Amino acid sequence: DIQLTQSPSFLSASVGDRVTITCRASQGIRTYLAWYQQKPGKAPKLLIYAASTLQSGVPSRFSGSGSGTEFTLTISSLQPEDFATYYCQQLNSFPPGFGGGTKVEIK
Amino acid sequence: EVQLVESGGGLVQPGGSLRLSCAASGFTFSSYEMNWVRQAPGKGLEWVSFISGSGNNIKYADSVKGRFTISRDNVKNSLYLQMDSLRAEDTAVYYCARGWVVTPGLGSFDFWGQGTLVTVSS
Repeated sequence: DIQLTQSPSFLSASVGDRVTITCRASQGIRTYLAWYQQKPGKAPKLLIYAASTLQSGVPSRFSGSGSGTEFTLTISSLQPEDFATYYCQQLNSFPPGFGGGTKVEIK
Repeated sequence: EVQLVESGGGLVQPGGSLRLSCAASGFTFSSYEMNWVRQAPGKGLEWVSFISGSGNNIKYADSVKGRFTISRDNVKNSLYLQMDSLRAEDTAVYYCARGWVVTPGLGSFDFWGQGTLVTVSS
């Protein structure tokens, strides 16, 4: 199975900060990666698919990049509603597993 | 508007069974892959099972293989997860999620239900 390692697992930041989250795959997955945002008590929400394509309705301050084994999710200017946990997911092969998550909290 | 509504969760004893349902609306259900994903209390997301639009292709996580059965009824626009031989470690919120294939690779999960809590405890 392909393992996904997210870093950091916890991040403390202020409104307006630029935030970058990394997801590393144990083997190459081309660009078959998605990013999700989850707020407490809510279902995850798809932010980015195919590593860098923004899902409809997602603010442009979110962006994704990478291919192969290393990927990043960037929030260009953190907003109050962005404080949440973020997960990457590989979609190269079964099982379509998730990274361990990155919790973004207010500094 | 796409809607996915899970039901069927609850408290069950170890070794027991439970059947989850996910009622879909707002899209052509038979045209989409569907998945079950779970999240143990305070933990991350774990993919559980996949079923193709026709129901002919089914996959399971190793942790549930042989105990859980995914199925769908494209007439009733419903997805199911039959869970047998339940263990304490199956305690989680279970989400159904639509698989959306727009690029090569597996479909990303573009819509999710609100989740249903399954608690396995004596």
